[in-house]
Amino acid sequence: GQQVMQIPQYQHVQEGEDFTTYCNSSTTLSNIQWYKQRPGGHPVFLIQLVKSGEVKKQKRLTFQFGEAKKNSSLHITATQTTDVGTYFCAGGREDYKLSFGAGTTVTVRA
Amino acid sequence: EPEVTQTPSHQVTQMGQEVILRCVPISNHLYFYWYRQILGQKVEFLVSFYNNEISEKSEIFDDQFSVERPDGSNFTLKIRSTKLEDSAMYFCASIFRGKNTEAFFGQGTRLTVV
Repeated sequence: GQQVMQIPQYQHVQEGEDFTTYCNSSTTLSNIQWYKQRPGGHPVFLIQLVKSGEVKKQKRLTFQFGEAKKNSSLHITATQTTDVGTYFCAGGREDYKLSFGAGTTVTVRA
Repeated sequence: EPEVTQTPSHQVTQMGQEVILRCVPISNHLYFYWYRQILGQKVEFLVSFYNNEISEKSEIFDDQFSVERPDGSNFTLKIRSTKLEDSAMYFCASIFRGKNTEAFFGQGTRLTVV
């Protein structure tokens, strides 16, 4: 079945630094979605990418969808303490099933 | 803003007991899901439900699990004979359909099997 791999599992970042988390699917995706889960919270939708090679920005967050629609990345610039949490990518199929990656848990050193 | 609601927020049960986790998806949504997250681990797909029937289930979703949408609003997950390893956070999610397939998650039910 479809598998979505995500790296790194943990990211310890100095406040103000940049980092990137990567997502790879074993199969071609209909779309890729990104979610953020704060400690003790539930996954909250951040963004959806649908087109091959698509790039979207949300303030300091930049999301990319690969040309083959099998990989994606999330790049955060100038990390802030509010960025703490776990970021999940989720591969979407045309039948609306989402397969989540393992997540990247981000901690920030002030 | 519409939201997915789950009850209870925390359920403690004895091993071997049956539990029912309840969810009220967003009213005009068509696709419903249960996911499980063991503490500190990934969000795992359990089952998807569309048009009043299961559309897909994972290997985790064995015979001890069942889902129902009994009255057109509630969406329940029943675990017949709980095991210690069923302890996890269970999330319900719903999707409207169409171009934007964003999943809306409930706050989750923390199930503790003792």
